[in-house]
Order: sequence, then structure tokens, then C-alpha cells
Amino acid sequence: DVKVTQSSRYLVKRTGEKVFLECVQDMDHENMFWYRQDPGLGLRLIYFSYDVKMKEKGDIPEGYSVSREKKERFSLILESASTNQTSMYLCASSPTGGGADTQYFGPGTRLTVL
Amino acid sequence: GENVEQHPSTLSVQEGDSAVIKCTYSDSASNYFPWYKQELGKGPQLIIDIRSNVGEKKDQRIAVTLNKTAKHFSLHITETQPEDSAVYFCAASRGSNYQLIWGAGTKLIIKP
Repeated sequence: DVKVTQSSRYLVKRTGEKVFLECVQDMDHENMFWYRQDPGLGLRLIYFSYDVKMKEKGDIPEGYSVSREKKERFSLILESASTNQTSMYLCASSPTGGGADTQYFGPGTRLTVL
Repeated sequence: GENVEQHPSTLSVQEGDSAVIKCTYSDSASNYFPWYKQELGKGPQLIIDIRSNVGEKKDQRIAVTLNKTAKHFSLHITETQPEDSAVYFCAASRGSNYQLIWGAGTKLIIKP
């Protein structure tokens, strides 16, 4: 079974803090994704990575950065958290294949920024 | 830009009845259309998908249909059961690559 784990289920931070969200997958997948989930807006892609040290911006990258130093780990960084970044953050991974394929999701991190 | 519209946002059906959720996509190059189910407290999980060279696919009580001309695809769940209660998301690939564009989600409620 593919397993995607996220470092925290719930996180509370203060405005201006630097926040790290960690994601680890155990299936040697090439692709990893960070999404933000808000009610009525579905899943919006923040960043994705198709290889170690490679990253591309998604639809809403502003205020976020990412790091992928090892194949199994993909980190999302909020350089200076703001209240409008309060949301559910989902990490996913998918195998390479040249085209779209099943994405496997972690359980999510609910981040509250006060 | 590309988008996926999903309807309805909430669907309430009697246990044993059928449920249908519909999505429309805008990118004519999309060729992969998955459906994900998200249960409370969990991440989304793939339940069925269809590629553009197929018009219909079925897996037990779940079926997906695709109309490429109209850019519509739908999820059909028959003989609904309490465990079908969840949020369902449709998605479409950005062209043929591995990124997905997601619908806003449908909360399916199965009434006993």
C-alpha cells in the first residue's frame, strides 16, 4: 500500500511565523504535490515537483515555497504566515508515466494562523 | 484559464437510490478524468477514472461516463449505502500531463 504521511494533523501558528509542513511518501514516486483545500474551492495546486530538486509553481504559489532534497520528502514552507493562509493542506504523490496518473494523498494538515 | 465545474455542491439521496454528479471541463486537450472520494478526516482517494479514448467505465456500483464533444463527464453511484456518504471530487488533466484541475466538490449525504 502506498503511504503518504504528513508531519502534523493540526497546527496553530501566529502571523509572521515561518511554518514548515513536511510530507513523506514510501513508494518511490517521482511526482509530489502540495494542495490547499478550502470549502467551495476544491483543491488548488500550490507547487509540484517531478524530480529531486525540481519544482514548478502551481496555481497559487504566492506566499509559499517548497523544497525537495530527497525523493521521498517534499516540504512546504510559509515564509511569513498570514491569516489568509489558514486552510487544510494536502500532500500527494504519483508515479511517473509521462501522463496523468493516480495521486495518493496524505491525511492533510489543518493549519490555523492567528 | 482552464477550469472544472462540478454540480451539485450538495446531494442528498435516500439509501438504495442512485446518485449522479456532473462535471464540465474547459481544456479540450484534457485526456484523463479521475473521481476521488474524501471521507471525514482523510485525504481524497481515487475511486474510478476514465481516459479520453473510452466513453464509459464501470466498477461494481460506480460508473463514469465521458462525453468529449460536450466536455462533460459524470459519476453514477447505484444502490447507495451509508458508507457512500462523503465529499466527491472530479478532476481533469491539464492536457496530457500529470497535473490535475479539480472541481469544487460534492457533499453526498445518504439518508437512512
